[in-house]
Amino acid sequence: DAKTTQPPSMDCAEGRAANLPCNHSTISGNEYVYWYRQIHSQGPQYIIHGLKNNETNEMASLIITEDRKSSTLILPHATLRDTAVYYCIVRVANDSWGKLQFGAGTQVVVTP
Amino acid sequence: EAGVVQSPRYKIIEKKQPVAFWCNPISGHNTLYWYLQNLGQGPELLIRYENEEAVDDSQLPKDRFSAERLKGVDSTLKIQPAELGDSAVYLCASSPSSGGGETQYFGPGTRLLVL
Repeated sequence: DAKTTQPPSMDCAEGRAANLPCNHSTISGNEYVYWYRQIHSQGPQYIIHGLKNNETNEMASLIITEDRKSSTLILPHATLRDTAVYYCIVRVANDSWGKLQFGAGTQVVVTP
Repeated sequence: EAGVVQSPRYKIIEKKQPVAFWCNPISGHNTLYWYLQNLGQGPELLIRYENEEAVDDSQLPKDRFSAERLKGVDSTLKIQPAELGDSAVYLCASSPSSGGGETQYFGPGTRLLVL
């Protein structure tokens, strides 16, 4: 059963912020939210992850709602190189750290 | 620092033939993963190694798929015999260890076409 729900596609204008939503209404208290992206003909690339607090790194920001049932990945200034499939994944935190269960993701196209 | 290396990048074979994929993880990474990615879908885990031990192979179709990581470094995934439905991208990933939630680093994948 899918643990996350993402829109299949979205477009974004170059230079503008891209806001990618993800629903994870059945998330458990010990599950983190991870984001990966996959550029065409490449392997997936880690972007960011979080548990309950908002997180920011050099690539993106992750906003998690207070009830943790949804989150938003923000690419602050999208470039053409950000065109990719973006995967939102919930991952169990235990000794073996659970496996990454990818869904179909969101195809993001950044246009000039 | 070199990333995860996979070879070959592309492979075309006829059905019923054997095929093998090779992966060299990032130096020092104890955990190695093989994933299968069908067209238009996200990757699915086939097998996970901790050093040379396969600790999660529940999704590996053992009738035709096999994998090994003899010295706990590089790894080989084999299919024998290949079927038409095996056409997909085979991705290798590595992480420093599986405990602590370390990031998985993926290679570029091997694209297999079975005719």
